[in-house]
Amino acid sequence: NAGVTQTPKFQVLKTGQSMTLQCAQDMNHNSMYWYRQDPGMGLRLIYYSASEGTTDKGEVPNGYNVSRLNKREFSLRLESAAPSQTSVYFCASQDSPTGANVLTFGAGSRLTVL
Amino acid sequence: AQSVTQLGSHVSVSEGALVLLRCNYSSSVPPYLFWYVQYPNQGLQLLLKYTSAATLVKGINGFEAEFKKSETSFHLTKPSAHMSDAAEYFCAVKGSGTYKYIFGTGTRLKVLA
Repeated sequence: NAGVTQTPKFQVLKTGQSMTLQCAQDMNHNSMYWYRQDPGMGLRLIYYSASEGTTDKGEVPNGYNVSRLNKREFSLRLESAAPSQTSVYFCASQDSPTGANVLTFGAGSRLTVL
Repeated sequence: AQSVTQLGSHVSVSEGALVLLRCNYSSSVPPYLFWYVQYPNQGLQLLLKYTSAATLVKGINGFEAEFKKSETSFHLTKPSAHMSDAAEYFCAVKGSGTYKYIFGTGTRLKVLA
């Protein structure tokens, strides 16, 4: 089925460890997003990518890096994980960032940092 | 700056009762408005969206929302709740010239048998 695929679904890290969350979409969308979801805080934008090779910081980018090497894939890297980064991470995509285009979300990656 | 307020982090209704989830936005220009639903352990899915074509918007699963500019509101309703409606609901706002969506903090709907 067409959509947004995220891996891994679950991950436990120790403080200071690094890891990369992978996201791929097969809808030929241009724009891709990384959000984090925390209880009582809704979804907060970490990074946005309008196209291959371009990225913009969102509301909460500190501690994260991203990479958009091609149109399909948008990865999120934690270089040195901290307990404050315990969260559920969602990748999303859409065809065009302007107008009322709908975001298509992945199923999420639940990260726990001990 | 745009903002979204969802009143009530938790709402409980009996099966068959009216569902009303509240959303107010803050914007100087009528924006695009969305309601998304999140079922347990899943990503968000679109319920409906407002794009200025009509103030009453119908979505999937019997949900609808009415855009009221004078009240800066976009409340979500469903006449009769079903057990399968139990989920978390997010209101979101977006300007026409930006890629940024502003999400509310969510309302968790519980449906009682």
